Amino acid sequence: QVQLVQSGVEVKKPGASVKVSCQASGYTFTNNGIAWVRQAPGQGLEWMGWISALNGNRNYAQKVQGRLSMTTDSSTTTAYMELTSLTSDDTAVYYCARMVCPHCAADHWGQGTLVTVSS
Amino acid sequence: QSALTQPPSVSGAPGQRVTISCTGDRSNIGTGYDVHWYQQLPGKAPKLLINGNTNRPSGVPDRFSGSTSGTSASLAISGLQAEDEADYYCHSFGGGERGAGLFGGGTRLTVL
Repeated sequence: QVQLVQSGVEVKKPGASVKVSCQASGYTFTNNGIAWVRQAPGQGLEWMGWISALNGNRNYAQKVQGRLSMTTDSSTTTAYMELTSLTSDDTAVYYCARMVCPHCAADHWGQGTLVTVSS
Repeated sequence: QSALTQPPSVSGAPGQRVTISCTGDRSNIGTGYDVHWYQQLPGKAPKLLINGNTNRPSGVPDRFSGSTSGTSASLAISGLQAEDEADYYCHSFGGGERGAGLFGGGTRLTVL
């Protein structure tokens, strides 16, 4: 079965960077894209962007453009999301999700990774 | 403020039918981008409920249905059950560039 397993809790200081991993299994990794979505405490879902695991094409939300980097490693079927210059506004649960096109919905999700930014 | 607008909350008694709206504009839903719906139980990751406006993934009860019209979409839940109490989000793309994902602000469903 399709599974996305994310890395563990992160606590970072303002100005630092964080890198979250998402290991996929149960399907052909390069057949789908991976999206990253975050959810601040008590808030709704926020789209961050997505990346094709086939060719690396990516699209980032304007709000985080310049601070966000998404990559994939097909040898380990793992996707990565790195966010730099962290502020307290980046405190959130970060989710990866498999994108299934042509409708391009997120049909399987990771368990989420809590990133806390605090001095 | 989200580019897709949902009511913050809806409620209904067990067995009733409720609908949740998702209002966009001509730059997103109105352009023809598909709308998807997710259910999020407290403390859990979202779960795909409706894919491509109207399609239910395997395992999703037929009590859940989706529709679109113009610049809006709707999720209908019939035969409400206590386990349906959750947050619901619509999702589409837009802003003039394929790949710019959008979520609605979310709707909290309370089963009375």
